[in-house]
Amino acid sequence: AQKITQTQPGMFVQEKEAVTLDCTYDTSDPSYGLFWYKQPSSGEMIFLIYQGSYDQQNATEGRYSLNFQKARKSANLVISASQLGDSAMYFCAMRANFGNEKLTFGTGTRLTIIP
Amino acid sequence: DAGVIQSPRHEVTEMGQEVTLRCKPISGHNSLFWYRQTMMRGLELLIYFNNNVPIDDSGMPEDRFSAKMPNASFSTLKIQPSEPRDSAVYFCASSLQGQSSYEQYFGPGTRLTVT
Repeated sequence: AQKITQTQPGMFVQEKEAVTLDCTYDTSDPSYGLFWYKQPSSGEMIFLIYQGSYDQQNATEGRYSLNFQKARKSANLVISASQLGDSAMYFCAMRANFGNEKLTFGTGTRLTIIP
Repeated sequence: DAGVIQSPRHEVTEMGQEVTLRCKPISGHNSLFWYRQTMMRGLELLIYFNNNVPIDDSGMPEDRFSAKMPNASFSTLKIQPSEPRDSAVYFCASSLQGQSSYEQYFGPGTRLTVT
């Protein structure tokens, strides 16, 4: 079974500062993928970034980067130079790479950017 | 390209009525997912299809829920009879299995209220 843990229910960050959202996971699958999604107040789920368990380098997508520490089973999302539009719920998710494609989601972190 | 399309966007119905939610995946995608989001349970997978075949329906709450995918461009999720505890946001997502990450793209969701 897969499990995702997000221990920060809410965070407040000053605009233009960097922010790290924590995510730890547990799985017995030898190969897996980790994802981050953003859910603004409008409700849609927006894909942000993906990290494969065998990827040698941490994933980056614009201002988003994923701090992947396999031994510690953590996949933290880092947002650089935060903007007011980054205020949203952020979900970490995991999928096994073979067999079942379903995503297992964490409980989310509500990020609020303060002007 | 059009994203995942869901209809209706909002549905209000009375307990005991039949509800049908509809989804059109992204053209060319071969996997389709139905998720439910509630405050109490977060985001959870109900069922997913690959090449129109149901692969994992372990998340379907009970016999009142059924899902079909008659062709590659259409799926339905039906609740009969509906109950107040079915009130939630229902998301449809699609992905293209075979890509390295095959991230799931979500539709805008259907907000269901059962009174």
